[in-house]
Amino acid sequence: GNSVTQMEGPVTLSEEAFLTINCTYTATGYPSLFWYVQYPGEGLQLLLKATKADDKGSNKGFEATYRKETTSFHLEKGSVQVSDSAVYFCALFSGGSNYKLTFGKGTLLTVNP
Amino acid sequence: SAVISQKPSRDICQRGTSLTIQCQVDSQVTMMFWYRQQPGQSLTLIATANQGSEATYESGFVIDKFPISRPNLTFSTLTVSNMSPEDSSIYLCSVTQIAYSGNTIYFGEGSWLTVV
Repeated sequence: GNSVTQMEGPVTLSEEAFLTINCTYTATGYPSLFWYVQYPGEGLQLLLKATKADDKGSNKGFEATYRKETTSFHLEKGSVQVSDSAVYFCALFSGGSNYKLTFGKGTLLTVNP
Repeated sequence: SAVISQKPSRDICQRGTSLTIQCQVDSQVTMMFWYRQQPGQSLTLIATANQGSEATYESGFVIDKFPISRPNLTFSTLTVSNMSPEDSSIYLCSVTQIAYSGNTIYFGEGSWLTVV
């Protein structure tokens, strides 16, 4: 079956630091990969996605590249802000899973001024 | 894109009661799902809401506890029955837009339930 392994948190950074949150996966077929963000007290928002190998998803300064050879989809941002403090979830789905999402456990990011 | 409205957004419920959560989508979608997020945890799929037929439940979830309806392609309800404090969670409706350019999954804002 499908599974997602995410970097354990919490992650604490200073403002303007570089961020990497690792995500690796196992899946049948050719999955689509997603990063979702959950700000404190809010619901889940799609941050970025990639649907095939070597695709790069990007949004709000965040980037992730779909690496089939390493089965990875690491999230990066060059300079984090206090407002980026949130929980980040890596997720995947494939047609073989009837489009059901499989989530990682989530990584709590705290950015200090 | 798809815009999803969930009601209620928050509620405090008495032990032993039941609550129905509504999910309305602004466009017709094929796939609708219900997820649960327990405090401090990741999301777990409860079931796939099938239009015009019984929902498909994941392991560990049963229809008697979480009855689901989906009368059409834009609306679904999830009922949490005979609630206990362990049911205190965020319940999220999700839809999948299937497109040639790539499939995207959207979530509602969630319904935050506290059972006392």
